Amino acid sequence: GENVEQHPSTLSVQEGDSAVIKCTYSDSASNYFPWYKQELGKGPQLIIDIRSNVGEKKDQRIAVTLNKTAKHFSLHITETQPEDSAVYFCAAGNYGGSQGNLIFGKGTKLSVKP
Amino acid sequence: SAVISQKPSRDICQRGTSLTIQCQVDSQVTMMFWYRQQPGQSLTLIATANQGSEATYESGFVIDKFPISRPNLTFSTLTVSNMSPEDSSIYLCSVETGPDQPQHFGDGTRLSIL
Repeated sequence: GENVEQHPSTLSVQEGDSAVIKCTYSDSASNYFPWYKQELGKGPQLIIDIRSNVGEKKDQRIAVTLNKTAKHFSLHITETQPEDSAVYFCAAGNYGGSQGNLIFGKGTKLSVKP
Repeated sequence: SAVISQKPSRDICQRGTSLTIQCQVDSQVTMMFWYRQQPGQSLTLIATANQGSEATYESGFVIDKFPISRPNLTFSTLTVSNMSPEDSSIYLCSVETGPDQPQHFGDGTRLSIL
């Protein structure tokens, strides 16, 4: 079955710097890759997702890149702010019908220092 | 996106007892799921809650331990039965509002077993 590896497990940056979180997946059939942000005491919140028919997607300060050949995808946050501090999870699944079979990475705790 | 409400938000229970967690959505959704997030860990899918029929459980999870109901398109319950300290986790409900739509999560139920 699918396996998702996520690195790093913790990341500390200065406010205004960029942050990059990387994930690799094992199942070449996976074609849907969402990213979730989880703040303390809250459930995971979808921040961006990408399908395998595109290589990059941007939404303001957040971007995701996908390399299908290498089976890895990355989250890029630019101009980080203290409110970006949270745990970020990547996931892999199959787009087309239900994404119920999402497999999650172990998470990255991002700390943005003012 | 849909508003997902989980009750209770947290509870402390005695071992050997059972607790039922409710998930209510403010609009009809096609899919509802239950996840477990152990302390400091990633998310693991317990089961897909099927409307009007038995839930579909993932490997390692059984109906006797985690009975699930979904009587309609906006509501589901997860019961954690005969609890032990190892069941201390966050239990999360997620939904898909339609085919090929992302999953969105509720804020979870934080469960501690003494």
